Amino acid sequence: DVKVTQSSRYLVKRTGEKVFLECVQDMDHENMFWYRQDPGLGLRLIYFSYDVKMKEKGDIPEGYSVSREKKERFSLILESASTNQTSMYLCASSLGPSHGYTFGSGTRLTVV
Amino acid sequence: QQQVKQSPQSLIVQKGGISIINCAYENTAFDYFPWYQQFPGKGPALLIAIRPDVSEKKEGRFTISFNKSAKQFSLHIMDSQPGDSATYFCAASKGTNAGKSTFGDGTTLTVKP
Repeated sequence: DVKVTQSSRYLVKRTGEKVFLECVQDMDHENMFWYRQDPGLGLRLIYFSYDVKMKEKGDIPEGYSVSREKKERFSLILESASTNQTSMYLCASSLGPSHGYTFGSGTRLTVV
Repeated sequence: QQQVKQSPQSLIVQKGGISIINCAYENTAFDYFPWYQQFPGKGPALLIAIRPDVSEKKEGRFTISFNKSAKQFSLHIMDSQPGDSATYFCAASKGTNAGKSTFGDGTTLTVKP
């Protein structure tokens, strides 16, 4: 069964900490995405990557960065966590345009 | 500017009834329209998708109706069951930028037994 695996289900971090969220897919997909999900706001795109070492900003990239050193792994980095980054973070991968996403189970991050 | 507008925000349907969720989009360059189903504690899962060259697609009890001229598409769940209770997201993407999707805000469906 194909999978997108997010390393942590729940995380609690302190304000100002550097936070790493990891995502691994086993489907050999070129494209990977990071979204955050907040009640009433749907899913908002933070960053995406269409190849190793290639990345593009999504709709809400401020306060975040990403890393894709290997095809199967896409990391989201919160450079200095703030309370307004408390959210559910969803990683997804896709074969390409006109193909749906496969999502991970999400990481619920709380910044205190 | 919200590119994909979804309604209603929440929906309660009796078991056996029809659930209808609507989405409207603005960007005529969108060419792929998926629907996702999300259960609590899980990530969204692809349910069904349509391309604009067809007006309807059916998979089991789930049907997408697509109106290109009105820039609207909808999800119909026939014979709704309590197990269908979940949050549903519509999305739209185009054939560029890795096919990144723009999502609606979601609809929470409750099917009462």
